[in-house]
Amino acid sequence: NAGVTQTPKFQVLKTGQSMTLQCAQDMNHNSMYWYRQDPGMGLRLIYYSASEGTTDKGEVPNGYNVSRLNKREFSLRLESAAPSQTSVYFCASSQQGINQPQHFGDGTRLSIL
Amino acid sequence: AQSVSQHNHHVILSEAASLELGCNYSYGGTVNLFWYVQYPGQHLQLLLKYFSGDPLVKGIKGFEAEFIKSKFSFNLRKPSVQWSDTAEYFCAVGPGNNRLAFGKGNQVVVIP
Repeated sequence: NAGVTQTPKFQVLKTGQSMTLQCAQDMNHNSMYWYRQDPGMGLRLIYYSASEGTTDKGEVPNGYNVSRLNKREFSLRLESAAPSQTSVYFCASSQQGINQPQHFGDGTRLSIL
Repeated sequence: AQSVSQHNHHVILSEAASLELGCNYSYGGTVNLFWYVQYPGQHLQLLLKYFSGDPLVKGIKGFEAEFIKSKFSFNLRKPSVQWSDTAEYFCAVGPGNNRLAFGKGNQVVVIP
């Protein structure tokens, strides 16, 4: 029962470095999401992919890019990391449809020095 | 765009006390409502959800929530909390396109 798998779990970067966060789900879900979680801010949507082949910006997309590699995988890339991107990143997936809850991965704790 | 408000960000209570967390949203159309829980060091897990029908929804671990359409609210309740309920609780609202708006969360600490 893997569900949503994120790698890595922890990462420390220097300002300006690039990094790709990986996410894979084995539940045959159509929709996938990337969030960042910051203290007192809740979860904010960075990008989402309603279905394979499509991606859309969420609430806070600046500084990030995404790739929906196939139905299972949805990666998040930081091209030039900044200290403001220090956060915990969660990937989630759901079936397509209006009543479908999202299933979350364990998160990636990213620190930018 | 929809928004979600959660009040009383930090809640501290003793075991066996009752818990109620407020959630108000702003969206005029039909919404899907969720409560998620995040235990320390873990990912978010679904507690309960409301789509239609009976406005009183029962979830896992003794939690329930009541949807009051006229008040745009979806408050979470538990009659008697346990130490293991220490967690952060998030209300989320979706207008039906799979995107969810999350509230800022309630940090709940239950003292044994």
